[in-house]
Amino acid sequence: EVQLVESGGGLVQPGRSLRLSCAASGFTFDDYAMHWVRQAPGKGLEWVSGISWNSGSIGYADSVKGRFTISRDNAKNSLYLQMNSLRAEDTALYYCAKDSFGFRELLVFSGENWGQGTLVTVSS
Amino acid sequence: QSALTQPASVSGSPGQSITISCTGTSSDVGGYNYVSWYQQHPGKAPKLMIYEVSNRPSGVSNRFSGSKSGNTASLTISGLQAEDEADYYCSSYTSSSTPSVFGTGTKVTVL
Repeated sequence: EVQLVESGGGLVQPGRSLRLSCAASGFTFDDYAMHWVRQAPGKGLEWVSGISWNSGSIGYADSVKGRFTISRDNAKNSLYLQMNSLRAEDTALYYCAKDSFGFRELLVFSGENWGQGTLVTVSS
Repeated sequence: QSALTQPASVSGSPGQSITISCTGTSSDVGGYNYVSWYQQHPGKAPKLMIYEVSNRPSGVSNRFSGSKSGNTASLTISGLQAEDEADYYCSSYTSSSTPSVFGTGTKVTVL
C-alpha cells in the first residue's frame, strides 16, 4: 500500500524558513516523479513544485519561484521542500503527491496518491 | 499562469447526470492531453478520478467520465449519488513557466 507522510509544518514568522519532508513507502520511490500541492484555508488547490524521478526535471509555481527548493533523496525514499522568505500567503496545508506513471521526464501532474498534508502557518 | 476556469457550483438530483467544465487556453488544456480531475471531500486529501483527459484509475466508478473539446475539458458524473457531493478540481500541464495548473474548483451538490 502506497503511503505518503508529510512532516515539518508549523507556525513560523514572516521572512523565516521551514523545511517540509515527505516519507514514502509501498512503491519504488525512485521510479516516480513527486509533487507538492498546497491548499490555503477554505481555498482551492495550487500546484507548488514537482521533481522528476531522477531529479532531471524540476518546476515551480511562479508564486514560489526563487524562494522554495524541491529535492529528493531516493536512498531515503524522501521528498523535501525547502521554503525560504515565507509570506503570510504561503499559509496552507501542504500535500505531497506521487505521479501516476513511472520514469516520466515531463512534469505532468497526475496525482495518483496523496498524503494527508502538513499545515504551514506564516504569522507574526 | 492563471488558474483554469470552472463553474463555482453545479447541482443535480440523485440519478441525474451533471457535467463540470474546465476552460483553459491552447497553452494548457487545448494543447495537451494531460488533463486530470480530482474529487475532494471536506477535510480529506484529493482523489484522482480521471487522468489524461478520459482515463479512469483502477477503482474509480465508471459513472465518472472525462472528455475534451478545444480549450475546454469536461467531467461528467452519471447516475448522481449522495456520495458524489464534494469539490472537484481539474488540472492541466502547461507550456508556461509553471508546468502545472489547477482549476478554480467546483462544488457539486446532490439535491
